[in-house]
Amino acid sequence: GNSVTQMEGPVTLSEEAFLTINCTYTATGYPSLFWYVQYPGEGLQLLLKATKADDKGSNKGFEATYRKETTSFHLEKGSVQVSDSAVYFCALSDQGNQGGKLIFGQGTELSVKP
Amino acid sequence: NAGVTQTPKFQVLKTGQSMTLQCAQDMNHEYMSWYRQDPGMGLRLIHYSVGAGITDQGEVPNGYNVSRSTTEDFPLRLLSAAPSQTSVYFCASSLGDNVPDTQYFGPGTRLTVL
Repeated sequence: GNSVTQMEGPVTLSEEAFLTINCTYTATGYPSLFWYVQYPGEGLQLLLKATKADDKGSNKGFEATYRKETTSFHLEKGSVQVSDSAVYFCALSDQGNQGGKLIFGQGTELSVKP
Repeated sequence: NAGVTQTPKFQVLKTGQSMTLQCAQDMNHEYMSWYRQDPGMGLRLIHYSVGAGITDQGEVPNGYNVSRSTTEDFPLRLLSAAPSQTSVYFCASSLGDNVPDTQYFGPGTRLTVL
């Protein structure tokens, strides 16, 4: 079945450091890929998304490129801020996203120190 | 728009008790879903609905019931709570007519079963 694997956390960085959170997936067909972010005490918010191979999603300085050849969707940011401290989830949906079904990775906690 | 709202925010139950977690959305979304979030496991889909009167099971449906009598509401029922149901529960909704279909999450309900 479909699955998503993320690098384990927690990840601790200093402010202005470069961030990479790895995400790989297993899926049949051509899934859409997402990164969601969960700030402390809140629900999940969509951070960025990509629908097909070589698409790059971007938002708030974060980027991720849909790599079909390596089945990956790694999240990157060039310079993190303390306000980026949160849990990040990689997710996929089957082609067409029928039924609003997402498959999530286990989440990666990011802590950014001043 | 209030978006996706969930009540209660916190709940403590004893084993065997029943309760209903409420979820409502005011965005006229067709798709609604329930997920549970457990440490190290990401979010897992419990039940979902593609429209009023239509529901289906997700990955972990046992011990939970749902119904969708209106577009706006999608309550989750625990008929006989068990300690294994201690978790954070998130409701989500989406339009259902886009690819990819962005899901919007509620703030969550933290449930403890003693």
